[in-house]
Amino acid sequence: GAGVSQTPSNKVTEKGKYVELRCDPISGHTALYWYRQSLGQGPEFLIYFQGTGAADDSGLPNDRFFAVRPEGSVSTLKIQRTERGDSAVYLCASSLLGGGNVETQYFGPGTRLLVL
Amino acid sequence: QKEVEQDPGPLSVPEGAIVSLNCTYSNSAFQYFMWYRQYSRKGPELLMYTYSSGNKEDGRFTAQVDKSSKYISLFIRDSQPSDSATYLCAMNPRENTDKLIFGTGTRLQVFP
Repeated sequence: GAGVSQTPSNKVTEKGKYVELRCDPISGHTALYWYRQSLGQGPEFLIYFQGTGAADDSGLPNDRFFAVRPEGSVSTLKIQRTERGDSAVYLCASSLLGGGNVETQYFGPGTRLLVL
Repeated sequence: QKEVEQDPGPLSVPEGAIVSLNCTYSNSAFQYFMWYRQYSRKGPELLMYTYSSGNKEDGRFTAQVDKSSKYISLFIRDSQPSDSATYLCAMNPRENTDKLIFGTGTRLQVFP
């Protein structure tokens, strides 16, 4: 079956602009995660959804970052007033149940965001 | 100080060598320990996960956890050029969250 997909694969924007990054999880997966990976670093947790609700948003760096998952499937990560420091690969992952079950998080290929 | 420390490498070994990759951590609340492999311009993929101290083997891969020392390792036997990738350790603190805390990643190059 299809894995996690993310669009766009690459996004170039100018400082101060607004961007939206989309994640399509594996069908039927309840839990969805967003991570950010800077060059030469490991993924850094941003937010985790259990169904439609954000179960843990402790990793969002500031109020310019916001994510939604209105129907419990597709999720959108929104970044307002982008800054050059936001340049990174934004990774999405999904898992079947979440909610404290120990299970594999399946990652998408990421969206490479470059803020000029 | 980061919660999870991992030597970024790069680590370059000849084909057939035994590779040892390591991470240390500071948070004793970490309960689940994973190793992910990431090829260039791809997302991470899970290799192995362990819960308790001790060893877990899967084919050419062995994961080792020493909770008393807060130290985890991944061993790769008979390394192959196709093992060339970045290896990320990841940990989960539980505490009502499923988030993973990743190390920096170690870049491994296996040459023929």
